[in-house]
Amino acid sequence: EVLLTQSPATLTLSPGDTATLSCRASRPISEMLAWYQQRPGQSPRLLIYDTSNRAAGIPARFTGGGSGTDFTLTISSLEPEDFGIYYCQQRSNWPPVTFGGGTRVEVK
Amino acid sequence: DVQLVESGGVVVQPGGSLRLSCEASGFNFHSYAMSWVRQAPGKGLEWVAAISPSDGTIHYTPGVEGRFTISRDNSKNTLYLEMENLRVDDTALYFCAKESLQWLFQFRFDSWGPGTLVTVSS
Repeated sequence: EVLLTQSPATLTLSPGDTATLSCRASRPISEMLAWYQQRPGQSPRLLIYDTSNRAAGIPARFTGGGSGTDFTLTISSLEPEDFGIYYCQQRSNWPPVTFGGGTRVEVK
Repeated sequence: DVQLVESGGVVVQPGGSLRLSCEASGFNFHSYAMSWVRQAPGKGLEWVAAISPSDGTIHYTPGVEGRFTISRDNSKNTLYLEMENLRVDDTALYFCAKESLQWLFQFRFDSWGPGTLVTVSS
């Protein structure tokens, strides 16, 4: 099973700031990594797939990158609706598909 | 628009059984693999099981294999999760999730339902 470790656990930022979220895999996963956003009380929403591809309707301020075992999600110029929890997920080695523990982006 | 609506979540005693349903609309249900993903209260996401569009290929996370059964009825556009021998640590919000591409297991989930809450407690 591929373990995904997300850091930091919490990011405290202001609207307009840039958020940088990290996801580290326990072994190389090629580029088969996705990012999801979960706002409070809502279901997850696919943001980025295969490391750097934005899903339909996702604004350009969301950028994914990385390779091998280290991946990042960058959110430029945070909007009020961007605050929530972000999960990475790998689909390189399955079953099982695995998710990271999440990074909470909260308002300063 | 794609819609996924889960149902069947209740309070059940340890050792009990339950069947969850997920009704799908707004897309060709029979063409997409589907998964169940759960989220324990205040915790992260855990993939549970997946089923292929039509040939019955199924995958489970190790912790539920032998206790949970995923199935689907394409004539009713409905996904199911039969859960037996439930444990306290199965308590979670259970989401159904749709693949983003037809026919394949991609484990790239582009639509999710609102979830149904299963509570296992004595």
